[in-house]
Amino acid sequence: KAGVTQTPRYLIKTRGQQVTLSCSPISGHRSVSWYQQTPGQGLQFLFEYFSETQRNKGNFPGRFSGRQFSNSRSEMNVSTLELGDSALYLCASRPDRGLQETQYFGPGTRLLVL
Amino acid sequence: AQSVTQLDSHVSVSEGTPVLLRCNYSSSYSPSLFWYVQHPNKGLQLLLKYTSAATLVKGINGFEAEFKKSETSFHLTKPSAHMSDAAEYFCVVSDYTGGSYIPTFGRGTSLIVHP
Repeated sequence: KAGVTQTPRYLIKTRGQQVTLSCSPISGHRSVSWYQQTPGQGLQFLFEYFSETQRNKGNFPGRFSGRQFSNSRSEMNVSTLELGDSALYLCASRPDRGLQETQYFGPGTRLLVL
Repeated sequence: AQSVTQLDSHVSVSEGTPVLLRCNYSSSYSPSLFWYVQHPNKGLQLLLKYTSAATLVKGINGFEAEFKKSETSFHLTKPSAHMSDAAEYFCVVSDYTGGSYIPTFGRGTSLIVHP
């Protein structure tokens, strides 16, 4: 089975721009979560989608949004980019909403905001 | 509210010697606990998980961890370090909230292995 894939792997943007990141989960996985990883704050949960619905959300401003499509692929959008948004954005998928809460992570998208 | 504390930001060992990475957690309920490893420029890989079954959990690559409720600890060990074990390790506690399991990550422990 193919793993979680994220595109693009690297991205450079300037302040004020917006960016969209994409995540394709493992086939059959319906839950997709997004995380931000920075040296200062570590790994922080952004949000989780299940069956095209946002199920949980972390403590991030409204500039961070996401969505999930019927094939479980997910996108994350950040509007009005700030320098502090520079980070590794990780996507993770898991099979279902039951007790199988082990997540499988993608390689991440590294975003640099100049 | 749940939280997790990794007691060492860096651990340095020689190849062939034991590894101990320490993790304490705080959780309102019976948590699920995980250890993940992250190699440079890679995503996270699950090493092992505890979900209220056996308290001694065996994982991949010779790693294991023991859940001690009285000490609220979930330390990761390996009898003999290998150069390929050099990476960042994350302890994670996961509680059920909002209809799903939401993980909280520790700040990570960087394992350095000397030849």
